[in-house]
Amino acid sequence: DTGVSQDPRHKITKRGQNVTFRCDPISEHNRLYWYRQTLGQGPEFLTYFQNEAQLEKSRLLSDRFSAERPKGSFSTLEIQRTEQGDSAMYLCASSFAGQHEKLFFGSGTQLSVL
Amino acid sequence: QKEVEQNSGPLSVPEGAIASLNCTYSDRVSQSFFWYRQYSGKSPELIMSIYSNGDKEDGRFTAQLNKASQYVSLLIRDSQPSDSATYLCAVKGGAQKLVFGQGTRLTINP
Repeated sequence: DTGVSQDPRHKITKRGQNVTFRCDPISEHNRLYWYRQTLGQGPEFLTYFQNEAQLEKSRLLSDRFSAERPKGSFSTLEIQRTEQGDSAMYLCASSFAGQHEKLFFGSGTQLSVL
Repeated sequence: QKEVEQNSGPLSVPEGAIASLNCTYSDRVSQSFFWYRQYSGKSPELIMSIYSNGDKEDGRFTAQLNKASQYVSLLIRDSQPSDSATYLCAVKGGAQKLVFGQGTRLTINP
């Protein structure tokens, strides 16, 4: 499978717990993006990396959210002290930087905070 | 004003007809425009990209771009029930990130 891989597919947690999601991009892609999507809305940008550098983070993103891409390959997204409002689909996408960059999405991680 | 706006629908089209989906954007320096299809419970799938004014055709899909009017559209010819999905318009502007509209839910009626 050469597509974007996300793990886990589903996560149920209790409010206040920490959760971590993983994304493995398409191997030759140097950019990796995290988006969040709630029902009836389009994906909302969270952050993105070029290689291992985090180049942009949404101003709307709480300090409870942190993302890493330590070796420029896979990435993790951690949410600390989860709240019910964090319940959403967390989508990872990867691309190759260039004039006509195209993003390809993984299957997403559905988070439910009880 | 939202950066990318779409009519949320639902848009209902009979099978075999042309479905027309529209999108407007606010960032005048936007350079790249995309249409993604998203089935319920699934992730977005890239179906069309367009970068210059005019039409771009790929099979039953045609993307249209008018930068002066800041308008992008997607036409689906000979609509099939399998085309029933949410269609997301996405725009890449001056910033590197891709900005999405809220999506238009399309239903093709047999």
